[in-house]
Amino acid sequence: QIQLHQSGPGLVRPSQTLSLTCAISGDRVSSHTVGWNWIRQSPSRGLEWLGRTYYRSKWDHDYAKSVKGRITISADTSKNQFSLHLNSVTPEDTAVYYCASQEIVILPGASSDFYHMDVWGKGTTVIVSS
Amino acid sequence: DIVMTQSPDSLAVSLGERATINCKSSQSVLYNSNNKNYLAWFQQKPGQPPKLLIYWASAREFGVPDRFSGSGSGTDFTLTISSLQAEDVAVYYCHQYYDTPFSFGRGTNLEIK
Repeated sequence: QIQLHQSGPGLVRPSQTLSLTCAISGDRVSSHTVGWNWIRQSPSRGLEWLGRTYYRSKWDHDYAKSVKGRITISADTSKNQFSLHLNSVTPEDTAVYYCASQEIVILPGASSDFYHMDVWGKGTTVIVSS
Repeated sequence: DIVMTQSPDSLAVSLGERATINCKSSQSVLYNSNNKNYLAWFQQKPGQPPKLLIYWASAREFGVPDRFSGSGSGTDFTLTISSLQAEDVAVYYCHQYYDTPFSFGRGTNLEIK
């Protein structure tokens, strides 16, 4: 059973980079059958999916347009974790940030079917303020 | 991008009565090749992450009480709580995982009348 443990600072200065980590137990970050997601939640934007990474012979990523150009999601196989980096933050990036995993099923022809996000981290409140 | 619209925004139901929450997607989330609707329902209580209740529009997650049920297909979906319990007070979200960017409804705040 996958478990996700989040860590990272709760306060980030405007224009700096927000960096959070999600440590994985119960599976490998390089598993071909799991995708690793970041979602955030704020009163103004609700639940907002930010992006994901997954390994399929190489690392692939999908990012939300709202943060594209500012976001990087990376994986560290030696520490079995994945990270979110969001640069040039503003107070609008203040939110609770969650990591979440989703099952991937490999289909005939090597395409992939991405299932629901069933395991979530506990969340990290990040405030962007000077 | 797929927009998820939930109704109502808030709902007050008496204990033991039925609660119904609706969700509409701006385009179909039914994948014809496998006949699955890529639609999930989450429950969120204060200070906690969203908890998966229903996936594939109608499959109940392991451990979720059978008073929770999901229905619908294509663009219109419903979450039903057949007999409301005190511990069901929460915010409920629908969510599509048919395509990125994944998206969520704005939530329905369920209270006891």
